[in-house]
Amino acid sequence: ELKVEQNPLFLSMQEGKNYTIYCNYSTTSDRLYWYRQDPGKSLESLFVLLSNGAVKQEGRLMASLDTKARLSTLHITAAVHDLSATYFCAVPPTGTASKLTFGTGTRLQVTL
Amino acid sequence: DAGVTQSPTHLIKTRGQQVTLRCSPKSGHDTVSWYQQALGQGPQFIFQYYEEEERQRGNFPDRFSGHQFPNYSSELNVNALLLGDSALYLCASSLGQGGGTDTQYFGPGTRLTVL
Repeated sequence: ELKVEQNPLFLSMQEGKNYTIYCNYSTTSDRLYWYRQDPGKSLESLFVLLSNGAVKQEGRLMASLDTKARLSTLHITAAVHDLSATYFCAVPPTGTASKLTFGTGTRLQVTL
Repeated sequence: DAGVTQSPTHLIKTRGQQVTLRCSPKSGHDTVSWYQQALGQGPQFIFQYYEEEERQRGNFPDRFSGHQFPNYSSELNVNALLLGDSALYLCASSLGQGGGTDTQYFGPGTRLTVL
């Protein structure tokens, strides 16, 4: 059974600081997704990582994937308040883009 | 370009009742997946529909059933509601059943409360 773990579960950081969220998964998969969820809202797609060593960046967020270590990171650079949200990583079984298993989520709070 | 839509937005039911939730996929998408998200947790996969058939299923009892129509829209039915069924139900659409690289796009969700 595929299991996905994220840490930390909760992260409070000051504006302007850098930090990294980690996502580990238990069985082989060839891709990983990152989503953002604002309180009471749905999931917004952030990144799709499709191969070992993949790195994608959008604004202050950068995601990477190491399929051998079964690890993905989401790095936040110079955080701003607008980044406050819950971030989920999600992993499908190998060879499919569906049946996602989600991590527990990391609730990010950026304070002034 | 319309995104994924779901109805209703909110729903309150009592234990033992039955409920039907509806989803219209993003334009051009043919695959619909349903997820249940309990408060404070990540979404859990219920099942996926493609070509009007259930193709994959998560660890949910038979009380959870669904349907996909020729226009690719979908319904999720839950029978004999339990208190534990209270959650946000998310519909996600994508193109192609599996193996593709397409991201699943999520709808706004239906908040179900079971009293």
